[in-house]
Amino acid sequence: NAGVTQTPKFQVLKTGQSMTLQCAQDMNHEYMSWYRQDPGMGLRLIHYSVGAGITDQGEVPNGYNVSRSTTEDFPLRLLSAAPSQTSVYFCASRGQGPYGYTFGSGTRLTVV
Amino acid sequence: GQSLEQPSEVTAVEGAIVQINCTYQTSGFYGLSWYQQHDGGAPTFLSYNALDGLEETGRFSSFLSRSDSYGYLLLQELQMKDSASYFCAVRNRDDKIIFGKGTRLHILP
Repeated sequence: NAGVTQTPKFQVLKTGQSMTLQCAQDMNHEYMSWYRQDPGMGLRLIHYSVGAGITDQGEVPNGYNVSRSTTEDFPLRLLSAAPSQTSVYFCASRGQGPYGYTFGSGTRLTVV
Repeated sequence: GQSLEQPSEVTAVEGAIVQINCTYQTSGFYGLSWYQQHDGGAPTFLSYNALDGLEETGRFSSFLSRSDSYGYLLLQELQMKDSASYFCAVRNRDDKIIFGKGTRLHILP
């Protein structure tokens, strides 16, 4: 099925570990973003991309890296996990024009 | 900077109409979107307004006033399945989309 695929769905990390959250879309969308969602905080933008090879910082970029080598993939890397990064992470993509984001199903990350 | 304000919670009765307001402050405003999110699920796109006025999609309508930096989502003929969180989001000239903190809608039978 067409859409945004995120892996893994659940992850537990120890403080200081690194990992990559995977995100892939098969809709040929140019725009992709990563958000984190914490209780009472809504969705906060971490990084976003307007096309392959182009990325930019969002509201809360510290501790995260991204790359966009292809249109389809937009992985999010946690460099050295901290308990403050415990959250639900959503990847989203959209095409040109006044259309909304299609979201992946999310990754629930716990850092202990 | 940019900010969006929306009520944290709203309660309404099944079959009634409810309006969820959103005010925003941002530079380079392009448009206002609305998303719905059920508990444990991912946000889903509802509507987008780039110009002043009302956009209607079935039971849901969305309004924008660019001069007042204000918009609202109107839900008619409320159903229990409409119980969810609703987020407004602004799209800026740099193509960032920034979300508000969300409004939790409670529907009473």
